[in-house]
Amino acid sequence: QVQLQESGPGLVKPSETLSLTCTVSGGSISSSYWSWIRQPPGKGLEWIGYINYRGSTDYNSSLKSRVTISVDTSKNQFSLKVRSVTAADTAVYYCARDPYGSRWGSFDCWGQGTLVTVSS
Amino acid sequence: DVVLTQTPLSSPVTLGQPASISCRSSQGLVHSDGNTYLSWLQQRPGQPPRLLIYKISNRFSGVPDRFSGSGAGTDFTLKISRVEAEDVGVYYCMQATQWRTFGQGTKLEIK
Repeated sequence: QVQLQESGPGLVKPSETLSLTCTVSGGSISSSYWSWIRQPPGKGLEWIGYINYRGSTDYNSSLKSRVTISVDTSKNQFSLKVRSVTAADTAVYYCARDPYGSRWGSFDCWGQGTLVTVSS
Repeated sequence: DVVLTQTPLSSPVTLGQPASISCRSSQGLVHSDGNTYLSWLQQRPGQPPRLLIYKISNRFSGVPDRFSGSGAGTDFTLKISRVEAEDVGVYYCMQATQWRTFGQGTKLEIK
């Protein structure tokens, strides 16, 4: 059974870069596409982007200019970077298995999420 | 971009009674492969979202049969036949036909 775990700093200063990593266990990262999703406190869900094991990506157009998702197959991990953060980037960040190519066509497996606060 | 609009945004329900949530899409959700990638997720307080229903009407593994999904084109519905206390949380529709977008969420609470 695939499990996902996010890791990274819980506090980032304004204008700096937010960096998170998701570790995939119980399965190969090469088997699926993988996404990042975020949820501001008390608000709804926003898809950030996805990646596959070859490094092919697609991003939400609203965030594309500030976001990079990368993959490290040797560690079974994928990562998120968000540049030039502001308070509006404060959110719980989730990694999840992406719908692309999956039999369910949806996000069927999620990490527990990690809260990132942008503040000086 | 595809916009998903859920109604109601809040739904107080009596235990044992049915509940229904609507999700309307700004565009048709039939993919070029013939599938409609509309799903429903449940988020209990303090938990990550959990997949309930995929491709309009298919229950995910372990989901009780009191949950059902229906719809076509741009209008979709999630129904809970008899609400239980563990169903409290926020429900989201999500489409993956054209990128990925979520509805605003519907908060289900017990009266």
